[in-house]
Amino acid sequence: KAGVTQTPRYLIKTRGQQVTLSCSPISGHRSVSWYQQTPGQGLQFLFEYFSETQRNKGNFPGRFSGRQFSNSRSEMNVSTLELGDSALYLCASSPPIAGALQETQYFGPGTRLLVL
Amino acid sequence: DQQVKQNSPSLSVQEGRISILNCDYTNSMFDYFLWYKKYPAEGPTFLISISSIKDKNEDGRFTVFLNKSAKHLSLHIVPSQPGDSAVYFCAASAVNYGGATNKLIFGTGTLLAVQP
Repeated sequence: KAGVTQTPRYLIKTRGQQVTLSCSPISGHRSVSWYQQTPGQGLQFLFEYFSETQRNKGNFPGRFSGRQFSNSRSEMNVSTLELGDSALYLCASSPPIAGALQETQYFGPGTRLLVL
Repeated sequence: DQQVKQNSPSLSVQEGRISILNCDYTNSMFDYFLWYKKYPAEGPTFLISISSIKDKNEDGRFTVFLNKSAKHLSLHIVPSQPGDSAVYFCAASAVNYGGATNKLIFGTGTLLAVQP
């Protein structure tokens, strides 16, 4: 079974621009979560989508947004990029387990974003 | 407010010996814990998890121990192999009583170096 895929793998943008990152979950997984990894803040939760609805949200400004499509693929968008948005953006998907409130997350390789 | 802490930034172990990685948490609502292994520029790889109803979980060379009263968990790797050299993250989540949740709170990571 193919793993979580993320595109693009690398991206360079300038301040003020916007960016859209894409994530395709493992087949059959319906939950997609996004995380930001930076040297200073570590791995931080951005948001989670399940069945096209945002189910959880982290403490990030409104410039960070996401969505999920009916095939469970997800995109995240960052508008008005700042230098501090330079990071590795990770996507994770989880399988649906009947009756479970928490599921193991499987991560993609990430998208490395550099803001100049 | 660091809710999940890994106080040892690095650990060096001889091949064949036991590696013990530690993690402390402050939020008593956490009830699901996971360990991930990460190489640079790659996404985290799931290793093992434990629910708060257990105090031990084993999977091959990996064993996770949970001490809820001390709010402490540890990952034991026996025997350690050079290929285990990577950054190890512990992560925790809390049941969202409004529904399922996949929001993981990560520790800052411990760099494990297994010397041949």
